[in-house]
Amino acid sequence: GQQVMQIPQYQHVQEGEDFTTYCNSSTTLSNIQWYKQRPGGHPVFLIQLVKSGEVKKQKRLTFQFGEAKKNSSLHITATQTTDVGTYFCAGRKTSYDKVIFGPGTSLSVIP
Amino acid sequence: EAGVTQFPSHSVIEKGQTVTLRCDPISGHDNLYWYRRVMGKEIKFLLHFVKESKQDESGMPNNRFLAERTGGTYSTLKVQPAELEDSGVYFCASSQAGYNNEKLFFGSGTQLSVL
Repeated sequence: GQQVMQIPQYQHVQEGEDFTTYCNSSTTLSNIQWYKQRPGGHPVFLIQLVKSGEVKKQKRLTFQFGEAKKNSSLHITATQTTDVGTYFCAGRKTSYDKVIFGPGTSLSVIP
Repeated sequence: EAGVTQFPSHSVIEKGQTVTLRCDPISGHDNLYWYRRVMGKEIKFLLHFVKESKQDESGMPNNRFLAERTGGTYSTLKVQPAELEDSGVYFCASSQAGYNNEKLFFGSGTQLSVL
């Protein structure tokens, strides 16, 4: 079946350092979404990428969708303590397929 | 606008008992999903409703799990009888119908502990 993988599983950074999490799918994806879950909270939608090679930015966050539409990355520039949480990528094979989540990358930011 | 509502927020039951979780999606959202997260692992898909119909239930672990969505509004997920490995956080999510444009809105989850 379809699998979505993420690395690293955990990342500890000093405040102000950059952070990147990588997402890989075993199959080509129709689109990819990113969600953030704060400790004790629930996943919250961040962004969706649809086109091959697409790059989107949200302030200090940069999202990229690979040319083959099988991988994606999230890069945070100059992390802040508010960035703490688990970042999940989620993808679907077709537009009407179920959304499959990766295992997430847990980010800790040391002040 | 109200978000996705789930209750109870926590449930502690003994092995062999029955538990029913409820999810009220955002009004007007045809799509309703159930997911489970166990011990900080991935958010695992359980099933997907489109209105009152089960679109995909391939993630349901076994026949101890029964999900319903009567009238295409709220949904319930019953676990009977509960086993230890059923412990985890059960999330419900809803989304509007739309081609390639499904942003999932999650509820706060139900933390289920089976002792």
